[in-house]
Amino acid sequence: AQSVTQLDSHVSVSEGTPVLLRCNYSSSYSPSLFWYVQHPNKGLQLLLKYTSAATLVKGINGFEAEFKKSETSFHLTKPSAHMSDAAEYFCVVSPNSGYSTLTFGKGTMLLVSP
Amino acid sequence: NAGVTQTPKFRVLKTGQSMTLLCAQDMNHEYMYWYRQDPGMGLRLIHYSVGEGTTAKGEVPDGYNVSRLKKQNFLLGLESAAPSQTSVYFCASSYRGPLGSNTEAFFGQGTRLTVV
Repeated sequence: AQSVTQLDSHVSVSEGTPVLLRCNYSSSYSPSLFWYVQHPNKGLQLLLKYTSAATLVKGINGFEAEFKKSETSFHLTKPSAHMSDAAEYFCVVSPNSGYSTLTFGKGTMLLVSP
Repeated sequence: NAGVTQTPKFRVLKTGQSMTLLCAQDMNHEYMYWYRQDPGMGLRLIHYSVGEGTTAKGEVPDGYNVSRLKKQNFLLGLESAAPSQTSVYFCASSYRGPLGSNTEAFFGQGTRLTVV
C-alpha cells in the first residue's frame, strides 16, 4: 500500500521569495515520485519525477525536489517565486512493483502576492 | 500528437440518468486510469486498466463501470447518476516501465459533470 501526505493545504509567498511545498510518502516498495501542477480550470502538467536515479531532481520552470529516503520526503522547492507559479500542486507516489497505480496527495494551493 | 483526449468537456445530468465518458490516447500506452477530483480531496482513483480487455477497481469504484475494448480507449460509465457524483473527472495514461512499474502519467483536460 502507498500513501502521500502534503503537509500544507495552502502556502502563501511574495513574488521573488523562495517556495517550499512539503510532501511525505509511504510505500511498501521502492517508489517513483512525481510533482504535478494544475492551474485554475486546467489539466495536470508534470513538473518533475524521481525514478531511482539522482536524488536531486530538476524540473520545469525552475522547480526542483530532493528525494530523502531516511525522511520519506520529497519536498518541492523554487528559489524565487513568480506570479505565474500560483496554482495547485500535487505530490504523487507509485511503487516500483508490477501493475502499481498512482496515488495523489490532497494538494497544496500556492498563492503568490506581488 | 493529441495526447489524451476526453469527451465531453462539460455535462449536466439529472439524477438517475446514465452517461458514458470517453477517453482516447494516441501514445500506445498500456495503462489507463479514471480519477475524480473534488475540492480538498486531491485526485482519487475510480478504475484503471493495465491493458486491452482488463480493468480493475480503484479507491472509489462504486457507482461506476469501465470498459477497455481497444488499447487506445477507456470508457467510464455512470448507470444511474447521483448528486454525489458531481465532480471533475480526469483520464490519464502511462507507459509500463521496468518491472511493470509506472512512468509518469499524461492527463486529459477533464470533464466537469454536474448531477442535479
